[in-house]
Order: sequence, then structure tokens, then C-alpha cells
Amino acid sequence: TQLLEQSPQFLSIQEGENLTVYCNSSSVFSSLQWYRQEPGEGPVLLVTVVTGGEVKKLKRLTFQFGDARKDSSLHITAAQTGDTGLYLCAYNTGFQKLVFGTGTRLLVSP
Amino acid sequence: GAVVSQHPSWVICKSGTSVKIECRSLDFQATTMFWYRQFPKQSLMLMATSNEGSKATYEQGVEKDKFLINHASLTLSTLTVTSAHPEDSSFYICSARVGLARSTDTQYFGPGTRLTVL
Repeated sequence: TQLLEQSPQFLSIQEGENLTVYCNSSSVFSSLQWYRQEPGEGPVLLVTVVTGGEVKKLKRLTFQFGDARKDSSLHITAAQTGDTGLYLCAYNTGFQKLVFGTGTRLLVSP
Repeated sequence: GAVVSQHPSWVICKSGTSVKIECRSLDFQATTMFWYRQFPKQSLMLMATSNEGSKATYEQGVEKDKFLINHASLTLSTLTVTSAHPEDSSFYICSARVGLARSTDTQYFGPGTRLTVL
């Protein structure tokens, strides 16, 4: 099972700041997914990136898939308190199983 | 659409007892459901894949006799933690897969069940 390392592990910022979360691996993936999980809830899919170099935007969130399809990043512009949560990247093994990254815990303070 | 529910949302039990957690797909049929475990401040780890009408497939290191999975219908999978011990305390999350067996298929997650074993 390939490992997805996320960095940073934890990020505490003020409302209005920008941030970037990274998801790295030495393996090549056909696609990567990003999820957000709020405390006491299940993860919710934010986006799936499929093509190397692809950039997808979801309001203030920008997702990028690396050219070599080994890594991905999530950039949040002007963070809000509602962005607080655990951000997880994940890949599908092809046997219908999802393998999650190590996670980045984001805390946005007012 | 694509709503997955879990019951109960939290449970406290005594060591040695068994606990059953239900996972239901409310508005779609799920031939495959998945069970994950999440320890505090950690990521999700897949425990097993549950296929309707057949035996579950367990990940390496997960005891099949301890974590009994039954997927009796296309909308219900159950996870029974048998003879629970404090180290089994965790957040258990299920998901249901929608669509054909392709790499970009989406899994929809339940809200999770927090198990505390005293």
C-alpha cells in the first residue's frame, strides 16, 4: 500500500489568512481525492483530480494535481472559521478501496 | 441524494460485551460498503470491505472473529465488535460506494459511531 504523506500535520491560523496543504507520495496515481472531515462527522468529498497538472477550484479552495501525478495540493484563500476541520487526501487502489493520507488538521480562529 | 446513516451515533459499553453498529444507505442501493476505524487525531484506516450476500474481506491485521461484518441487504451492513475491550474504543465510520467498479467512483460516508469501552 502506497503511503500518502500530508503536510503540515497541524495548522492554526487566523481568519483571512491563506494556506496550502500538501499531499505527497513516491507513487503515481490515476486520480487523487480530497476530503474534509469535521469533528464527530464522516469525511465529505471535496474534489477528485484526474489529469496531471489539473487545477480545480471550489469557491476559495484550489486543488492541484502534480504534473507527474505523484502529489497534490490544496490552497485555501482567505480562510474562514467554517474551514476548520481535518483535510484528507486519498487514492483509490483500483480494488474499490480508498487509502487515506495522514491528514492535516486545520484550525481557523476568528 | 446518496445519504448514508449510522446507528448508534455513540455507544458506551462494558469490557467483554458486544456492540452492533448499523450502516444504511438511505436513498440508493450499495453492493459494497466499507468499514473504517479512526483513532483520535489520526486518519481513517480501512478495516474491511463488505459485499452484499458474501463474506467480508478484511484488511491485514484486522481480526475477522472480533469484528463481525454482515451485509444482508443492498442497504444495510452491520459491524459487531465482539468481546469489546478498551483498546477497541474508536470512531467507526462506514461508507457506501455508488456506481460501477471504476477508480473514480465515489464513496459516501456515514456520520460515524463513537465507541467507548469502559
